[in-house]
Amino acid sequence: SQTIHQWPATLVQPVGSPLSLECTVEGTSNPNLYWYRQAAGRGLQLLFYSVGIGQISSEVPQNLSASRPQDRQFILSSKKLLLSDSGFYLCAWSVGSGTQYFGPGTRLTVL
Amino acid sequence: AQRVTQPEKLLSVFKGAPVELKCNYSYSGSPELFWYVQYSRQRLQLLLRHISRESIKGFTADLNKGETSFHLKKPFAQEEDSAMYYCALSTQGAQKLVFGQGTRLTINP
Repeated sequence: SQTIHQWPATLVQPVGSPLSLECTVEGTSNPNLYWYRQAAGRGLQLLFYSVGIGQISSEVPQNLSASRPQDRQFILSSKKLLLSDSGFYLCAWSVGSGTQYFGPGTRLTVL
Repeated sequence: AQRVTQPEKLLSVFKGAPVELKCNYSYSGSPELFWYVQYSRQRLQLLLRHISRESIKGFTADLNKGETSFHLKKPFAQEEDSAMYYCALSTQGAQKLVFGQGTRLTINP
């Protein structure tokens, strides 16, 4: 069966520090991969999605970036975190445009 | 651009009462609509999708293209229904979902 992992589960980082969040999927090939941010009172915001290795679509201009170095690995990064980057980050996968399956999330606090 | 609107951020009803979570969308083509749910300390997960036309945990949702709505309904609410609910839209040829802002449903005993 398919599973999706995210780590770390929680992260506290100072402003200006770099960020790397990792997401991996098991049990499926060539999935679509997604990064969302869930902020209190603002719902789910799609940040990036990828339909294949090295193919990244950015939905919202920001100081975050994403990469997909392997078929089932999706990484969210930043060179310098801002206070406004705090939030709950969710990774998800799907087969095509079908149902999306979400990971457990990473709670990021930028101080 | 496609948009999903959930007008209620918070909804509180008593156990046993009917529940309706509203969802409206804007899209001129043929959409695919979903409801996702996130229970406390659990992952966000699919509750139902309109093409399945099934009832999950007593919830149903009918796509009304005339009113561009996909409201989620349950005739008798249960305490375990308390959760965050998101309506989402997928459009033809797209590889992504558009989510609404979410509605936090609280069922009071």
